[in-house]
Amino acid sequence: QQQVKQSPQSLIVQKGGISIINCAYENTAFDYFPWYQQFPGKGPALLIAIRPDVSEKKEGRFTISFNKSAKQFSLHIMDSQPGDSATYFCAASVTRSSGSARQLTFGSGTQLTVLP
Amino acid sequence: DTEVTQTPKHLVMGMTNKKSLKCEQHMGHRAMYWYKQKAKKPPELMFVYSYEKLSINESVPSRFSPECPNSSLLNLHLHALQPEDSALYLCASSPGDRGLPVPSEGYTFGSGTRLTVV
Repeated sequence: QQQVKQSPQSLIVQKGGISIINCAYENTAFDYFPWYQQFPGKGPALLIAIRPDVSEKKEGRFTISFNKSAKQFSLHIMDSQPGDSATYFCAASVTRSSGSARQLTFGSGTQLTVLP
Repeated sequence: DTEVTQTPKHLVMGMTNKKSLKCEQHMGHRAMYWYKQKAKKPPELMFVYSYEKLSINESVPSRFSPECPNSSLLNLHLHALQPEDSALYLCASSPGDRGLPVPSEGYTFGSGTRLTVV
């Protein structure tokens, strides 16, 4: 099963608040879990990523929490700012046996709006 | 240079036209990808090139034809498209993990080509 399920579909947060987006996966072979941020008219930009041997990774205001046993991972945006308003996609991928190209399976996306 | 450059940024074409989308990267990446993205949806994988060879074709209609002339360039040739093919077409590249013990994290997307088929 290659699906990655993402929730919520949309999220509205006040400036300074915490934004939390959740993802769940089925394929235990996934070995790389990135989060992408996409602004209208732009391509997705890598925000932060984690590997399954780590339970948490923090970069600035962005933190990934990873629960391998539950097959879930989440993105936390601390001190959310209006400039964070964008669509966020979680993704997962598995290294193929040839070890070359990496195929991403995306979640359905979360539209985040941070109110000033 | 840490960018994936796509041209043109916008393209309007008739259903009988032939056009091409171009993608270029100079990061030394050996895997390149075409994705299609409809509004408010995640990107959908179309093609994967690994070390200049087509490795994945996700059952894409033959009116889309990819080409990888060299390790830095990726083209998508379009012919006899339908209005439902209108979308944002994204190119991406990654280092290619061959021989590496852990997955690499350099999966980079371009800004896309907004295609409208009339």
